[in-house]
Amino acid sequence: EVQLLESGGGLVQPGGSLRLSCAASGFTFSIYAMSWVRQAPGKGLEWVSAIIGNGENTYYADSVKGRFTISRDNSKNTLYLQINSLRAEDTAVYYCAKDPMTNGVLDYFDYWGQGTLVTVSS
Amino acid sequence: EIVLTQSPGTLSLSPGERATLSCRASQSVSSSYLAWYQQKPGQAPRLLIYGASSRATGIPDRFSGSGSGTDFTLTISRLEAEDFAVYYCQQYGRSLGTFGQGTKVEIK
Repeated sequence: EVQLLESGGGLVQPGGSLRLSCAASGFTFSIYAMSWVRQAPGKGLEWVSAIIGNGENTYYADSVKGRFTISRDNSKNTLYLQINSLRAEDTAVYYCAKDPMTNGVLDYFDYWGQGTLVTVSS
Repeated sequence: EIVLTQSPGTLSLSPGERATLSCRASQSVSSSYLAWYQQKPGQAPRLLIYGASSRATGIPDRFSGSGSGTDFTLTISRLEAEDFAVYYCQQYGRSLGTFGQGTKVEIK
């Protein structure tokens, strides 16, 4: 059974940093692209970042480029999102999500984690 | 960036009725790379449809997707109690895809 478990969210002051993690199990992690998708309270979904299976290629939304860094450790089956220079508008639930195709990228998502809440406030 | 506009914003229907949700793209979606998700309060989105019309694993056949180019539709043939939720369309396939703003299907 595929499982994605996010952690690392919390309350942080504007300008602060956090590192989110997503522990994956139930599939061969290293051959699937993974993404982070966020959802501000009461709002819609925004695809934030993606990374291919071997970690060599990464993709970012313009809204986070230069502030967020996606990475993965395939030996630990874990996806990360380093978020710096946080702003109030980054407040959201952050979901990790799995690409459905082996060695694919920029596809739809067949599995999602339960999300971790990041709140940016002074 | 392709902008997806979903309509209506809210759909008020009774169990057993048919729901028709629209997703319109600001430019053509290549190869019908369009997906639909269902989201219930406090839960992650759940994949329903990909490739505009292919049902995801385990999705009941009362859910169907259609369309191409810039106009796509999600149809729920007969609403059941568990279908009342928010539905999002997503286009994918080039750069980071985008989502529509969602349609809420509520009990009338």
